[in-house]
Amino acid sequence: EVQLLESGGGLVQPGGSLRLSCAAFGFTFENYAMSWVRQAPGKGLEWVSGISASGGGTYYAGSVKGRFIISRDNSKDTGYLQMNSLRAEDTAVYYCAKSQGKTAGAFDFWGQGTLVAVSS
Amino acid sequence: IVLTQSPGTLSLSPGERATLSCRASQSVNSYLAWYQQKPGQAPRLLIYGASSRATGIPDRFSGGGSGTDFTLTISRLEPEDFAVYYCQQYGGTFGQGTKLEIK
Repeated sequence: EVQLLESGGGLVQPGGSLRLSCAAFGFTFENYAMSWVRQAPGKGLEWVSGISASGGGTYYAGSVKGRFIISRDNSKDTGYLQMNSLRAEDTAVYYCAKSQGKTAGAFDFWGQGTLVAVSS
Repeated sequence: IVLTQSPGTLSLSPGERATLSCRASQSVNSYLAWYQQKPGQAPRLLIYGASSRATGIPDRFSGGGSGTDFTLTISRLEPEDFAVYYCQQYGGTFGQGTKLEIK
């Protein structure tokens, strides 16, 4: 059974940092791209960042470019999102999602999300 | 690329047919997906490649279109279909969502 388990969320002050993790189970992690998608309270879905299966390609939404870094460790079946210079508007539930392909595709499996709250 | 969904809210009764629209600001070919999200839950993939149903999705759900104009049709609404629906270009931006509510 495919499972994605996010961790690392919490309360952080503006300007602070957090590192989210996404542990993958039930499929060959190194064969699929993955992404992070967030949802602010009461709002819609926002794609944040994506990484190819090999890790050689990384992509970011304009709202986080230069502040967030996506990475993956295929030996540990785990993806990461390093979030720096956090702002109040980064407050959201962060989901990791598995792509259907090595570089792109629809998101066929999602984690349950981890809440990030940025507040003083 | 900007995806615009319409309507913002759709009020229908169980058994009725629902048609949701997604328009892209430039062509995405058929690289479009539809998701369903219920309160407190992660999104679920319904349709990929504009018209292919994901595993386990009932055949009352169908997708159509290509290029810039897409539709998600639910042929006969079941009580569990009332939710928010999002379109997405592959690996990127989402539409703002359509809330399907019980009339």
